[in-house]
Amino acid sequence: SSELTQDPAVSVALGQTVRITCQGDSLRSYYASWYQQKPGQAPVLVIYGKNNRPSGIPDRFSGSSSGNTASLTITGAQAEDEADYYCNSRDSSGNHLDAVVFGGGTKLTVL
Amino acid sequence: EVQLVETGGGLIQPGGSLRLSCAASGFTVSSNYMSWVRQAPGKGLEWVSVIYSGGSTYYADSVKGRFTISRDNSKNTLYLQMNSLRAEDTAVYYCARDHYDSSGYWFDPWGQGTLVTVSS
Repeated sequence: SSELTQDPAVSVALGQTVRITCQGDSLRSYYASWYQQKPGQAPVLVIYGKNNRPSGIPDRFSGSSSGNTASLTITGAQAEDEADYYCNSRDSSGNHLDAVVFGGGTKLTVL
Repeated sequence: EVQLVETGGGLIQPGGSLRLSCAASGFTVSSNYMSWVRQAPGKGLEWVSVIYSGGSTYYADSVKGRFTISRDNSKNTLYLQMNSLRAEDTAVYYCARDHYDSSGYWFDPWGQGTLVTVSS
């Protein structure tokens, strides 16, 4: 099965812009989706498709993609954005066409 | 309101069995793809299984042959039957509604999760 690779940790100063990346072969075929998970809570979808935000997600969250890399950008990071962020995509490696893969997660610290 | 509520987790000995339930409200389980995703303590998310609206099922290699996903349309509930449990199955198990189109795949919403601990 294919894999998605994320940086384990990223930090950003309050109010600044941060980009969290996700790399993998499946991203050449599919857009990544992004989830925010705060301690003790379930994941919450923040970005899906080309660059779509579910209702209630602030517009400071945006998504983009190039080649085998997807990015989640937070423009003007807030203290409440401190969380783990996971990407996911559909597996495109052949025998597991119906499987879904997740990245290992990125811990975002807002300084 | 679209909501998922998992139940059924607990402490179970290695080799034992457990059935998780996920009750849905605000939408129809049988009309959607539905998945189970788990998260071991301090670790990342791992997709476990999916059931398609048509009834087809798929599993991660780590649980294939031991876990079975199913649904009860009359109760609008998703299940995960877990047999031959191992210590490495210890995790919080989430159910989620799947969405997909030609461009990608995503999960929304997620349930609150139920903890399964496999230990003697």
